Amino acid sequence: AQSVTQLDSQVPVFEEAPVELRCNYSSSVSVYLFWYVQYPNQGLQLLLKYLSGSTLVKGINGFEAEFNKSQTSFHLRKPSVHISDTAEYFCAVTLGAGNMLTFGGGTRLMVKP
Amino acid sequence: SAVISQKPSRDICQRGTSLTIQCQVDSQVTMMFWYRQQPGQSLTLIATANQGSEATYESGFVIDKFPISRPNLTFSTLTVSNMSPEDSSIYLCSVGGQLDYGYTFGSGTRLTVV
Repeated sequence: AQSVTQLDSQVPVFEEAPVELRCNYSSSVSVYLFWYVQYPNQGLQLLLKYLSGSTLVKGINGFEAEFNKSQTSFHLRKPSVHISDTAEYFCAVTLGAGNMLTFGGGTRLMVKP
Repeated sequence: SAVISQKPSRDICQRGTSLTIQCQVDSQVTMMFWYRQQPGQSLTLIATANQGSEATYESGFVIDKFPISRPNLTFSTLTVSNMSPEDSSIYLCSVGGQLDYGYTFGSGTRLTVV
């Protein structure tokens, strides 16, 4: 079975600073990887996904993530954060279409002025 | 990608009662998933609902507590039965038929049991 570990439960950062949210996964087979964002009192929104091809994927709102198979990681980055990026971020994996998504524990990004 | 309408968006219920949550999808999908998000925590899969067959429940979740119906390819319900305060959570449905579009989630049902 696959699993996902988000190494930081909370990440405080000042506005306009860069940020990295870490995600590691475990699986005996190939997986597909996602990052979702959940703003306060809202549903889940897809930020980006890695299915195949280039290991650097770009998503919405200036976020990007790099898939590293040897490190089994899929870290999320943004070069300059805004107050509006304050939210909960979830890394997730699936074995394929029609299969369940397995979520990491989430990372609360807190952007301070 | 699919669009999901989930309702109710929130409810406050008395302990011992039941609540049925509905998810309507704007296209036909084979698999639907129901998740629970307890306060301040991540999402945990409750069950997978495939049209025309019994739902498949994850460890720790049972059909008597969380009965699911899947009458057709665009609709599903989850019932939270005999509720206790420990059932206070956000419940979300999801579909994920095509990876290109990611997995789409309903807006969630915020349940408070008093």
